[in-house]
Amino acid sequence: KAGVTQTPRYLIKTRGQQVTLSCSPISGHRSVSWYQQTPGQGLQFLFEYFSETQRNKGNFPGRFSGRQFSNSRSEMNVSTLELGDSALYLCASRRAPETNEKLFFGSGTQLSVL
Amino acid sequence: DAKTTQPTSMDCAEGRAANLPCNHSTISGNEYVYWYRQIHSQGPQYIIHGLKNNETNEMASLIITEDRKSSTLILPHATLRDTAVYYCIVRAQKVTFGIGTKLQVIP
Repeated sequence: KAGVTQTPRYLIKTRGQQVTLSCSPISGHRSVSWYQQTPGQGLQFLFEYFSETQRNKGNFPGRFSGRQFSNSRSEMNVSTLELGDSALYLCASRRAPETNEKLFFGSGTQLSVL
Repeated sequence: DAKTTQPTSMDCAEGRAANLPCNHSTISGNEYVYWYRQIHSQGPQYIIHGLKNNETNEMASLIITEDRKSSTLILPHATLRDTAVYYCIVRAQKVTFGIGTKLQVIP
């Protein structure tokens, strides 16, 4: 069974640009979560999608948005990039956002904003 | 919201048991305790989870106190490949990972 796939693996952008990251969950998983990881902040929750609907949202500005398609694949978009958006963006999937469902993570997209 | 407290770093000699503590004094009755680990530049990897009873799998053991306010992850025979950051989390929704414990296994 293929794992969680994130593309691209590395990305370099400049301030003011926008970026779209992609995540394909494990087959059969309908919940996709996104995280931002920076050296000093650990993993911070961005949002979770289930059945094409945003179920939960973290404390990030509106520049960070996402969506989920009918095949459960998800995209995350960051507009008007800032230097502080440089981070590892991780995607995780699980069958559903239930109490004892464990998360399976992808390898992440390393975004550098210059 | 249930939060967790973990030591920032720990060392363990190779071949010895690594015992990683986690405090979660505000845990709710239906919240599970999960452990994940992250090796540099990779996504976190699930290790184990539990609700009330102690759990064991091929990777580790999880000991949860009777009052559920703390837990310990045990790696019975630590190897160099166990060097990683270990996260303890207790929330199923808006899953939040803290800084975790950086475990260094020493030869």
